[in-house]
Amino acid sequence: GAVVSQHPSRVICKSGTSVKIECRSLDFQATTMFWYRQFPKKSLMLMATSNEGSKATYEQGVEKDKFLINHASLTLSTLTVTSAHPEDSSFYICSAEPDGSYEQYFGPGTRLTVT
Amino acid sequence: DAKTTQPPSMDCAEGRAANLPCNHSTISGNEYVYWYRQIHSQGPQYIIHGLKNNETNEMASLIITEDRKSSTLILPHATLRDTAVYYCIVRVEPGANNLFFGTGTRLTVIP
Repeated sequence: GAVVSQHPSRVICKSGTSVKIECRSLDFQATTMFWYRQFPKKSLMLMATSNEGSKATYEQGVEKDKFLINHASLTLSTLTVTSAHPEDSSFYICSAEPDGSYEQYFGPGTRLTVT
Repeated sequence: DAKTTQPPSMDCAEGRAANLPCNHSTISGNEYVYWYRQIHSQGPQYIIHGLKNNETNEMASLIITEDRKSSTLILPHATLRDTAVYYCIVRVEPGANNLFFGTGTRLTVIP
């Protein structure tokens, strides 16, 4: 099946710094990618929809200036957590769906810890 | 947004069939039933999907009731590696829309 990768898989950063997470579709192109966040023992919550060549669409309650999304190509979307704080510590997961496919593929996730 | 209800947890003996139920009584005619699972600290993995008919693939079988208000995911011979949270999701046919994850069912396969 199609593969979606994320980098890094795990990152620890200090409070106030910014962290960039990459999401790549390795063998297909994706006009749209999705970013989810998952807190411990909770379900995945959609943060934003990343659209290639246009602005991302953010879910209610997600600060667009804090979680910057760039979908610069059909195979790459990036999520930058700016001025990270400990409450941003979470598991961030991206997904993408090939055009015409019935399956949405998920990346392996990135665990962010802000100290 | 929750259009599905699932039991929070289930146990299954290794080697036996695991039957995971899902209620989706408000499903619309153009909505599919999808199943994903998430093994601890990994991204969700697609299992199977269906519209009206029962479906089977190498991983599982999906049984959808005739009125489409509920479905059952069947793992025919559960292994320890099937221990995961299983999510039943309804969505319209493929397009650029996200998946809404409810609380899922935590399946524990017991040796």
